[in-house]
Amino acid sequence: EDQVTQSPEALRLQEGESSSLNCSYTVSGLRGLFWYRQDPGKGPEFLFTLYSAGEEKEKERLKATLTKKESFLHITAPKPEDSATYLCAVQAPGGFKTIFGAGTRLFVKA
Amino acid sequence: DTAVSQTPKYLVTQMGNDKSIKCEQNLGHDTMYWYKQDSKKFLKIMFSYNNKELIINETVPNRFSPKSPDKAHLNLHINSLELGDSAVYFCASSQGRTAYEQYFGPGTRLTVT
Repeated sequence: EDQVTQSPEALRLQEGESSSLNCSYTVSGLRGLFWYRQDPGKGPEFLFTLYSAGEEKEKERLKATLTKKESFLHITAPKPEDSATYLCAVQAPGGFKTIFGAGTRLFVKA
Repeated sequence: DTAVSQTPKYLVTQMGNDKSIKCEQNLGHDTMYWYKQDSKKFLKIMFSYNNKELIINETVPNRFSPKSPDKAHLNLHINSLELGDSAVYFCASSQGRTAYEQYFGPGTRLTVT
């Protein structure tokens, strides 16, 4: 069964303390892996799409990487405004359905 | 300019009632989705329409009926509401059938009492 597992469930960092979020997936024939950010009371906001192992994408303090079984979202020198839930998702074979993980809640303290 | 909008934002109703949630996107996308986010924050696809054609219909009770009058609108009607239907419902849109970069609405928090 296609599945996405994110860890940790919650992560508390001090401002400036870099860390990584993990997303492991089991899907036959990955067509794309996505990262979204969700703020409380709002809809998810698209961050990145990764298509193949070895690919990396960056946006401000965030860098997403992809291997054959997992993806990492690296956060460098985070700021309090980076506090949010980060969702990982994969596109299932057939291409129409996106499967989301439960997310990692990130708290960054000033 | 709001890209994907949903109404209402909050919906409180009693068991057994029928309610509708409306969604509109002004991005010119041809594919729209309904997702349900439960209390554990899992986001699960319910339905997807491409150019008004239903392309995803997950295992959802038939009390839920989507309708897409045109490419820019996707509504969700729910009959005989149950306590377990309480959740946040998100509408989303993308360009193309292959569900790449999706744009989400602000969500509708449905509470069934």
